[in-house]
Amino acid sequence: GESVGLHLPTLSVQEGDNSIINCAYSNSASDYFIWYKQESGKGPQFIIDIRSNMDKRQGQRVTVLLNKTVKHLSLQIAATQPGDSAVYFCAEGANTGGFKTIFGAGTRLFVKA
Amino acid sequence: EAQVTQNPRYLITVTGKKLTVTCSQNMNHEYMSWYRQDPGLGLRQIYYSMNVEVTDKGDVPEGYKVSRKEKRNFPLILESPSPNQTSLYFCASSFLERGGEKQFFGPGTRLTVL
Repeated sequence: GESVGLHLPTLSVQEGDNSIINCAYSNSASDYFIWYKQESGKGPQFIIDIRSNMDKRQGQRVTVLLNKTVKHLSLQIAATQPGDSAVYFCAEGANTGGFKTIFGAGTRLFVKA
Repeated sequence: EAQVTQNPRYLITVTGKKLTVTCSQNMNHEYMSWYRQDPGLGLRQIYYSMNVEVTDKGDVPEGYKVSRKEKRNFPLILESPSPNQTSLYFCASSFLERGGEKQFFGPGTRLTVL
């Protein structure tokens, strides 16, 4: 069935290091993938997205990689900062006559000073 | 400031007492959704609306109602709340861009049903 999952529920990195958060998806019909960041006490916030016809997209300090062959999505954060500490959700979407977005369970990122 | 607002932010109630959580957006988005967030389960969609007077069930609609009489408002109604509806609720408004849905979330409503 449809599912969006994460390999690691928690990730701890040293300030200044790069972070990589992974996500697996199973719906081959998904054509749009999004990463959201949720800080404590707040709603999720859009970070970056990627269409299925791309394999890489870069933003400010963040890069999303998409591997459709193995249905894998990753978020790379360069030079991780304390302000990056949050829960990160991957989500997949498909236009099924109305747009449907499915969220993963989330990965908590801890940044150690 | 572009935003999604929800009220109340916190609510403690008792089983069976009807309640409404309001949601309003000022971005003129056509799409709006309600999600609940539970530990280890991520965000699950309750209901969504593609436009005024157009609503449809999400993944976990049981025990909830919604209405979309105006574009900016999308209230969530619990006619007879039960303890299993204790959760963190998020409203979102969204638009389609580059073939995908970009969602803007409200700050959340933490509901406790005793």
